[in-house]
Amino acid sequence: GNSVTQMEGPVTLSEEAFLTINCTYTATGYPSLFWYVQYPGEGLQLLLKATKADDKGSNKGFEATYRKETTSFHLEKGSVQVSDSAVYFCAPPSDDKIIFGKGTRLHILP
Amino acid sequence: NAGVTQTPKFRILKIGQSMTLQCTQDMNHNYMYWYRQDPGMGLKLIYYSVGAGITDKGEVPNGYNVSRSTTEDFPLRLELAAPSQTSVYFCASSYAPQQGYEQYFGPGTRLTVT
Repeated sequence: GNSVTQMEGPVTLSEEAFLTINCTYTATGYPSLFWYVQYPGEGLQLLLKATKADDKGSNKGFEATYRKETTSFHLEKGSVQVSDSAVYFCAPPSDDKIIFGKGTRLHILP
Repeated sequence: NAGVTQTPKFRILKIGQSMTLQCTQDMNHNYMYWYRQDPGMGLKLIYYSVGAGITDKGEVPNGYNVSRSTTEDFPLRLELAAPSQTSVYFCASSYAPQQGYEQYFGPGTRLTVT
């Protein structure tokens, strides 16, 4: 099945810093790729997705580009806010399931 | 739409007790999932279902059972609670994820076994 490797956290940044969270995957074919976010005390919710190679997903200032050459789907944001503090999960589907990695905990300092 | 609802929100069990975690979705999704999330950790798949009457094991099924008699409901049963089952349990639903459909998550059930 498909799998994902996501950078370990926690990641601590100051407000307005540039964010990159690395994600690489192994997959059969070119499945859709997802980033989910989990805010404190809540369930996961979709942040963005890309449904085919070379697509860019974007939402709330976050972006990720589906790069088939490097099998990567890195999450980026140009200027993070305190409200972005959360856990981020890179998630490719594997057959009928979505495989979640350990997630990357992000702390943004004011 | 209410989306994915889970009950209860919190529960404390004694070792050896049993309980059922309820999950209901009103989006007519055929896929449903149960995950557990231990403190500071990622999600691990317990069981999933691709449609009414069909269930399959995930990564960590031991100690749990599920059933899927309707499209809407996917209850998770703990028969003999153990401290290792202390966790937050999330239910999710979707259309086919391999076709690009996202999962929708419930708010979670926080379970403590003492």
